[in-house]
Amino acid sequence: QKEVEQNSGPLSVPEGAIASLNCTYSDRVSQSFFWYRQYSGKSPELIMSIYSNGDKEDGRFTAQLNKASQYVSLLIRDSQPSDSATYLCAVGSGNTGKLIFGQGTTLQVKP
Amino acid sequence: EAGVVQSPRYKIIEKKQPVAFWCNPISGHNTLYWYRQNLGQGPELLIRYENEEAVDDSQLPKDRFSAERLKGVDSTLKIQPAELGDSAVYLCASSFQAGISYNEQFFGPGTRLTVL
Repeated sequence: QKEVEQNSGPLSVPEGAIASLNCTYSDRVSQSFFWYRQYSGKSPELIMSIYSNGDKEDGRFTAQLNKASQYVSLLIRDSQPSDSATYLCAVGSGNTGKLIFGQGTTLQVKP
Repeated sequence: EAGVVQSPRYKIIEKKQPVAFWCNPISGHNTLYWYRQNLGQGPELLIRYENEEAVDDSQLPKDRFSAERLKGVDSTLKIQPAELGDSAVYLCASSFQAGISYNEQFFGPGTRLTVL
């Protein structure tokens, strides 16, 4: 079992729809959770961080965390073609600072 | 505020040749990370520095890879000799602090290495 699992996709949604990206992790003591966006040929860009159960909203992005289910998700409202990218879920390993990344989910937003 | 700086952006070498990558972190960030990202995969940590000390190098292939961060600021990652399987993107990241739960890591543009 991989430590951080994501569906590789591609996930295709029409412009203006809500995109839902999911991630599960295996380490129960994980304390920090991050979503990175990576455009093709570019490096990962941090877009959301979440540390406690519940929802965290930032503009069109909402991160959701459920530690009991070891599940973290990212919702993108009013999806735009510019949101088309690979979204990487990263989980902090205890308090070491080490991030474990999933393989990423490719999102395609079609006009 | 300037981001993480890396050079070169691209490097093509023949197998068995040496190669080096350079990284300058965000000003004030004490922790520096080197990651390797293979095509279609997420980044994987190679080594983490807190100031000038390498505190996690468990994933660094020490027979051919070496790294240094002599003054606790910029860092160099070296491969000697390079193998075909080393072709990947080498990413440098930095954070204000590590060892706590809330460390946000910011990535540089990466160096795309191709070994022929």
